[in-house]
Amino acid sequence: DGGITQSPKYLFRKEGQNVTLSCEQNLNHDAMYWYRQDPGQGLRLIYYSQIVNDFQKGDIAEGYSVSREKKESFPLTVTSAQKNPTAFYLCASSIFQVQGARRGYTFGSGTRLTVV
Amino acid sequence: DQQVKQNSPSLSVQEGRISILNCDYTNSMFDYFLWYKKYPAEGPTFLISISSIKDKNEDGRFTVFLNKSAKHLSLHIVPSQPGDSAVYFCAASMYSGGGADGLTFGKGTHLIIQP
Repeated sequence: DGGITQSPKYLFRKEGQNVTLSCEQNLNHDAMYWYRQDPGQGLRLIYYSQIVNDFQKGDIAEGYSVSREKKESFPLTVTSAQKNPTAFYLCASSIFQVQGARRGYTFGSGTRLTVV
Repeated sequence: DQQVKQNSPSLSVQEGRISILNCDYTNSMFDYFLWYKKYPAEGPTFLISISSIKDKNEDGRFTVFLNKSAKHLSLHIVPSQPGDSAVYFCAASMYSGGGADGLTFGKGTHLIIQP
């Protein structure tokens, strides 16, 4: 079955450490995204990538980094520069369309990151 | 500045009745709108969408209405069932010619279906 896999589901990190969240999709989607959800907040866009080897900052990119070396993979690194990293992180993908609106956003099941 | 607003953090509806979830937006460039359903500690699942060229889209028990002049959309669920209890997110996107991308989400409405 096609889908998006995020791992791990729960992650604990000590202050000052970098940590990388994994996101893999086998949907053959061109575009991939990282969102962050905080209690009482909507999902906020961190980074997105429309094609391999290219990515763009979203609304809250500070303290995060990404890479897109393969179409299937879009890992997110939460660096020590991120002031408040404890949150629920969601990865998504979609079929990029040049004409009209994008279709077919699919989300992974999320990773809960806790800084201890 | 929030571009997509869901002003009701929670909504309680009796089983079998209609649930109406509302969403307002401020950016007139948005041309595609989606509703997602989310359970705790899970990713959102797509429910229904609507393009700005339409004013209504229906899929089973779910209907989305779009009022472009008012920059308002609503999700109707009829009849409401216990499994509908979840957080519902309204999201919007725009055609950007290959530029900025991604969805803009509201803060969500927690729908509670009471027996």
